[in-house]
Amino acid sequence: AQSVAQPEDQVNVAEGNPLTVKCTYSVSGNPYLFWYVQYPNRGLQFLLKYITGDNLVKGSYGFEAEFNKSQTSFHLKKPSALVSDSALYFCAVRDPYQAGTALIFGKGTTLSVSS
Amino acid sequence: KAGVTQTPRYLIKTRGQQVTLSCSPISGHRSVSWYQQTPGQGLQFLFEYFSETQRNKGNFPGRFSGRQFSNSRSEMNVSTLELGDSALYLCASSLVGETDGYTFGSGTRLTVV
Repeated sequence: AQSVAQPEDQVNVAEGNPLTVKCTYSVSGNPYLFWYVQYPNRGLQFLLKYITGDNLVKGSYGFEAEFNKSQTSFHLKKPSALVSDSALYFCAVRDPYQAGTALIFGKGTTLSVSS
Repeated sequence: KAGVTQTPRYLIKTRGQQVTLSCSPISGHRSVSWYQQTPGQGLQFLFEYFSETQRNKGNFPGRFSGRQFSNSRSEMNVSTLELGDSALYLCASSLVGETDGYTFGSGTRLTVV
């Protein structure tokens, strides 16, 4: 069965420093991978996705993620964090070999950026 | 272009009652998925509908049900509410293909007292 793990409940960084939010997955074959962000009392907003091709994917708001097949990871990164990046981040995976399968989410990582 | 609209935004119900939540997807999106979000369990998949058919279902009791109409609008129903059903219920719509990401609504906050 497909699954996603976000090993850190919370990540704390200072504004201007690089940030990394970790994600590992378990899916047979080549998965479809996604990152979403959630602000308080709001739904999830799509940040970026990896389907195929270049392992480094660029997304919204300056975020990027690196797909590493050998380590089954899809870490979210940003070179310089902003206070406004503080939010809850979700990694998600979908098995492309089973039509109609749901997007499965990790438990989320709270990112806190201090000024 | 309008986003995914969920109504109502907030709801307070008593144990034992039933509730119906509504979701209007983005125009042209035919797939609608529902998720339950709680602090302890995170985002749990409820079900997905495509062209009025339930295509996939998560591990929830039969008290949770849904349907999709011909205009792709979807409703989910929870009967015999329990305190543990208190959660944020999120609806997401997407285009047909598995490579498409979801667009989420702002959710319905259900509180069961």
